[in-house]
Amino acid sequence: EVQLVESGGGLVKPGGSLRLSCAASGFTFSSYSMNWVRQAPGKGLEWVSSISGSSYHIYYADSVKGRFTISRDNAKNSLYLQMNSLRDEDTAVYYCAKRGDGYNYEYWGQGTLVTVSS
Amino acid sequence: DIQLTQSPSFLSASVGDRVTITCRASQGISSYLAWYQQKPGKAPKLLIYAASTLQSGVPSRFSGSGSGTEFTLTISSLQPEDFATYYCQQLNSYPITFGQGTRLEIK
Repeated sequence: EVQLVESGGGLVKPGGSLRLSCAASGFTFSSYSMNWVRQAPGKGLEWVSSISGSSYHIYYADSVKGRFTISRDNAKNSLYLQMNSLRDEDTAVYYCAKRGDGYNYEYWGQGTLVTVSS
Repeated sequence: DIQLTQSPSFLSASVGDRVTITCRASQGISSYLAWYQQKPGKAPKLLIYAASTLQSGVPSRFSGSGSGTEFTLTISSLQPEDFATYYCQQLNSYPITFGQGTRLEIK
């Protein structure tokens, strides 16, 4: 059974940093691209970043480029999102999602809430 | 960037109704479109991918169609558990984008 469990969310002041983690199990982690998607309170889904299985291909939304860094450790079956220079508008639930074979986000974690506020 | 526009944004319907949600892309995306269902406080759930392929375990009352710039999600006979918010997503090119969502409520 595929499981994705996010952690690391919390309350942080504007300008601060936070590192999110996503622990994966139930599939060959290194074979799949992984993704971060966020959802601000009461709003829709926003793609944040993607990383290929080998970490060769990495993509970011313009809204986070230069501030967020996606990475993965295939030996630990873990995905990360280092978030620096956080802004109020980064407040959201952050989901990690596994890309499926058929161009989709097949599995999602339960999400972790990041609140940026002074 | 490819914009996805869903219509309607809000839909009120009754159990047993047939409903259709449309997703229009600002440029052609072939069939690289997925549909998700999200209930309050929960993660999105994949329903349809490649525009018309039903994800394993998803009831057959859900169907998708379209290619290029216009896509539809149809629920043939609404069930109580279908009342939720639905999102389309394009995976043709980066940045990946989602539609703004369609909230489906009980009439």
